[in-house]
Amino acid sequence: KNQVEQSPQSLIILEGKNCTLQCNYTVSPFSNLRWYKQDTGRGPVSLTIMTFSENTKSNRRYTATLDADTKQSSLHITASQLSDSASYICVVSAGFNKFYFGSGTKLNVKP
Amino acid sequence: NAGVTQTPKFRVLKTGQSMTLLCAQDMNHEYMYWYRQDPGMGLRLIHYSVGEGTTAKGEVPDGYNVSRLKKQNFLLGLESAAPSQTSVYFCASSLYGGEYQPQHFGDGTRLSIL
Repeated sequence: KNQVEQSPQSLIILEGKNCTLQCNYTVSPFSNLRWYKQDTGRGPVSLTIMTFSENTKSNRRYTATLDADTKQSSLHITASQLSDSASYICVVSAGFNKFYFGSGTKLNVKP
Repeated sequence: NAGVTQTPKFRVLKTGQSMTLLCAQDMNHEYMYWYRQDPGMGLRLIHYSVGEGTTAKGEVPDGYNVSRLKKQNFLLGLESAAPSQTSVYFCASSLYGGEYQPQHFGDGTRLSIL
């Protein structure tokens, strides 16, 4: 069964600290993996898209890693800011219009 | 540049009523999608369109209909609303078939069915 599991479900960190969010998937075939940020009351916004051959991809303070062999991805946030408080959603594409969404990790950055 | 705009933002319906949710994009994207987001679950695809005049079923299409008469608009209809359709509905668009294109999402329509 094609599934995307994210952990932890929720996380609280202090402003300025780093954190890492995990995504494990069983989707096959694999086309690409995406990370989205969803602010409360808003739609998801794309952070990164990684293909099979990409191990690491960065977008400002966000760094995504992908291990296609173990079917795991992580999103590392460096020097967190209050504006990083949001849900982070991992999405795996199995090809043409086939997207499998994780249920997200809710991050709360406290001052 | 507005991106993807959804109307209305909130709506409360009674069981059995009908309504249409409107999605408009100004990015000249070919592909458009309707998703629903329920607590504790990932987004689920309801219907999608690969171009003007085309529509296709997604993962959870029952109880919904769609139309794409104009490239920039994608309408989602509920013919006879049921409490199980209480959800947040997101529209998204992408330039092409989505394999390596990000999806651009609207800010959602929060729909409650009483």
